[in-house]
Amino acid sequence: AQSVTQLDSQVPVFEEAPVELRCNYSSSVSVYLFWYVQYPNQGLQLLLKYLSGSTLVKGINGFEAEFNKSQTSFHLRKPSVHISDTAEYFCAVKAGGTSYGKLTFGQGTILTVHP
Amino acid sequence: GAGVSQTPSNKVTEKGKYVELRCDPISGHTALYWYRQSLGQGPEFLIYFQGTGAADDSGLPNDRFFAVRPEGSVSTLKIQRTERGDSAVYLCASSRQLGTDNEQFFGPGTRLTVL
Repeated sequence: AQSVTQLDSQVPVFEEAPVELRCNYSSSVSVYLFWYVQYPNQGLQLLLKYLSGSTLVKGINGFEAEFNKSQTSFHLRKPSVHISDTAEYFCAVKAGGTSYGKLTFGQGTILTVHP
Repeated sequence: GAGVSQTPSNKVTEKGKYVELRCDPISGHTALYWYRQSLGQGPEFLIYFQGTGAADDSGLPNDRFFAVRPEGSVSTLKIQRTERGDSAVYLCASSRQLGTDNEQFFGPGTRLTVL
């Protein structure tokens, strides 16, 4: 079984500042890792994913994340945020190496970008 | 093209009533997933289908919950004898096929309120 912990429920930040949203996971098997974003009144949208290869993954809207196997982390970063990045962000894992499709999500982090 | 659609967008019902929630996946997507998102929580897996069959229903909380996908496309989540604790946003997602590298595309959800 897998579990995901997002360490911050809310992150306020000023526009153009850098941001890091933290995610730690627990699993007895190898995993694939994902970040999703949910804008108000919209469905979940995939930001980026780590399946294998380079541990630094780049996604849409200037976001990136780094997979750290020893620390079981997959933190999301952006060097300069915009007002439009205000949303809720979810980290998720899926068991790797199989065709099993279930995603396990963290509790979410609400990012609020202030002008 | 059209994304995943869910109807109704909002459903208010009384305790003890029966409800049906519908999901129309992206055309050609063979895998379909249901998740439930309670207030302040991340989505929790309920069930997924590969074609017409439920490949894993281990997330269904009890036997009041049932889902079908009779023709391998549209799916209906059915909840009998609703309880106040069933109030949540029910999310549907689809992917091209069951697998590790197939992105799940989410619908906007159905917000269920049980009075």
